[in-house]
Amino acid sequence: DQQVKQNSPSLSVQEGRISILNCDYTNSMFDYFLWYKKYPAEGPTFLISISSIKDKNEDGRFTVFLNKSAKHLSLHIVPSQPGDSAVYFCAATGSNSGYALNFGKGTSLLVTP
Amino acid sequence: KAGVTQTPRYLIKTRGQQVTLSCSPISGHRSVSWYQQTPGQGLQFLFEYFSETQRNKGNFPGRFSGRQFSNSRSEMNVSTLELGDSALYLCASGRESYGYTFGSGTRLTVV
Repeated sequence: DQQVKQNSPSLSVQEGRISILNCDYTNSMFDYFLWYKKYPAEGPTFLISISSIKDKNEDGRFTVFLNKSAKHLSLHIVPSQPGDSAVYFCAATGSNSGYALNFGKGTSLLVTP
Repeated sequence: KAGVTQTPRYLIKTRGQQVTLSCSPISGHRSVSWYQQTPGQGLQFLFEYFSETQRNKGNFPGRFSGRQFSNSRSEMNVSTLELGDSALYLCASGRESYGYTFGSGTRLTVV
């Protein structure tokens, strides 16, 4: 069963605007969440993470928001740049899953000039 | 510093054969995890090794196995290959839990 879901397979945004990627999870025992960026034929690259004790974490143009009651997190990229075009994966983990990363199926972001 | 190194990058095998993939983690990292990426199933956890012990295992058949050596390098083996085993196999290393860095992967094609 898919415990982490990214319901939007693709997203297109204009350069300079905000990109919002969403992720939902079902397992309330997850306590750490990560976003990875992936290019074809390469491994995922870590972007940003958030612990369940926080509801927001920022790193430059990237901000992750966590809504525990809704079991929802989102990644905001502001401003979006063409180099941000890639597939973004949301992942969740916790001690009850043995620290294995449970991934969503990814959202393909295209930032157009 | 050197990242996670996976070898080989590409591999073509025939059904029924076996294959061994290798992963060298970042220096100082004792945790090594393996993931399978396919178009239909996405990224799925195979297993994790920490200090030479398998600490966690995903929902894959026994044909998938692994091991970790004292220098933290890890190998993954798939026996009796099936067409459905064609995938990108990714290795990730970390110091403890949570902070994983991925390698570029091994693209396995079974024909």
